[in-house]
Amino acid sequence: RKEVEQDPGPFNVPEGATVAFNCTYSNSASQSFFWYRQDCRKEPKLLMSVYSSGNEDGRFTAQLNRASQYISLLIRDSKLSDSATYLCVVNQNQGGKLIFGQGTELSVKP
Amino acid sequence: DGGITQSPKYLFRKEGQNVTLSCEQNLNHDAMYWYRQDPGQGLRLIYYSQIVNDFQKGDIAEGYSVSREKKESFPLTVTSAQKNPTAFYLCASSMPHGGIPGTFGSGTRLTVV
Repeated sequence: RKEVEQDPGPFNVPEGATVAFNCTYSNSASQSFFWYRQDCRKEPKLLMSVYSSGNEDGRFTAQLNRASQYISLLIRDSKLSDSATYLCVVNQNQGGKLIFGQGTELSVKP
Repeated sequence: DGGITQSPKYLFRKEGQNVTLSCEQNLNHDAMYWYRQDPGQGLRLIYYSQIVNDFQKGDIAEGYSVSREKKESFPLTVTSAQKNPTAFYLCASSMPHGGIPGTFGSGTRLTVV
């Protein structure tokens, strides 16, 4: 089993749609969680951290379920500019190793 | 401004050559990482280092070597033993504790010619 697994993509949605990405992690001792965005041929950039209580940043909502070892990212009112690959990232505090999911590609169409 | 600098941006290697990719950070981060990304695929961990003079193999270390002689620097050598080195190489750094996310360099595209 992979340490971090994401929904296979690609997701093709119309502008204005709501889309959700899921991610599971295998190490129950993992301490911190993030969503990154990666544009084509660019480096990944931090989109948002994921907190146990859930957190929101504008149209983006991230949630963490430690019991199920599950992370989600919800994007509301999708924009063309949201088209990218979204990476789920887990930081294992024992050693601080950053583990990436394989990414989910999102394509928002007019 | 603090950040990670990778160089060169593009690199061409002949068959049988070793090449070294540079990664320098001024974020005072303890941990540094090297990832490889192939087209349409996620990031795969090559090597990581949590402190100076120590590093661990990631999932795909064969054909690669690293050193961590300084906190700021974590160069990656792609050796001739790496049979399929053409890829996008990304360096990142982070603090190992405290939940601080990783920061990436802009990457090096390596092509074997």
